Amino acid sequence: GAGVSQSPSNKVTEKGKDVELRCDPISGHTALYWYRQSLGQGLEFLIYFQGNSAPDKSGLPSDRFSAERTGGSVSTLTIQRTQQEDSAVYLCASSSQGTRTDTQYFGPGTRLTVL
Amino acid sequence: AQSVTQLGSHVSVSEGALVLLRCNYSSSVPPYLFWYVQYPNQGLQLLLKYTTGATLVKGINGFEAEFKKSETSFHLTKPSAHMSDAAEYFCAVYAGGTSYGKLTFGQGTILTVHP
Repeated sequence: GAGVSQSPSNKVTEKGKDVELRCDPISGHTALYWYRQSLGQGLEFLIYFQGNSAPDKSGLPSDRFSAERTGGSVSTLTIQRTQQEDSAVYLCASSSQGTRTDTQYFGPGTRLTVL
Repeated sequence: AQSVTQLGSHVSVSEGALVLLRCNYSSSVPPYLFWYVQYPNQGLQLLLKYTTGATLVKGINGFEAEFKKSETSFHLTKPSAHMSDAAEYFCAVYAGGTSYGKLTFGQGTILTVHP
């Protein structure tokens, strides 16, 4: 079956612009996670969705970052007024129920470059 | 807070040699431990996980890992390296403090396999 997909695969933007990153989880998975992978910080948790709710947003680095999920499926991560330090690979993962032992399935990521 | 340390950011082995990637964790709760592999320009793929039960865990592609509570370790091994094993490997631990599977990752180990 289809895995987690993300779009775009690459995004180059200018400092100060807004960007939207999209994640399509595996069908039927109720849990969705966003992580960020950067050279300096490694892999960091950003936000967790269960259904359309986000009970944990603790990893979002600033109020320029926001995310939503609709229909218990697609999620969008929005970064406003992008900064160079936002350059990273943004990874989305989904799992069937979001329990602590569930396997998280990762998408290929979106590579964001802020010039 | 839970944390993971991967010893060695780069490991190089010859084809057919033993692969040993080291992971030590710190956890104030019973740990759930994971190894993921990332091939270039791809997302993370689960190799294996330890939740409860048998401490020697077998995964895909001939990899296995042993949970050693006394040593707070979860090292990844493969008896005989193959060229296709060249990738980056991440150890992760359930982050704790939540009812869902938020992960804390190590910094990653890049495995190079020489012919």
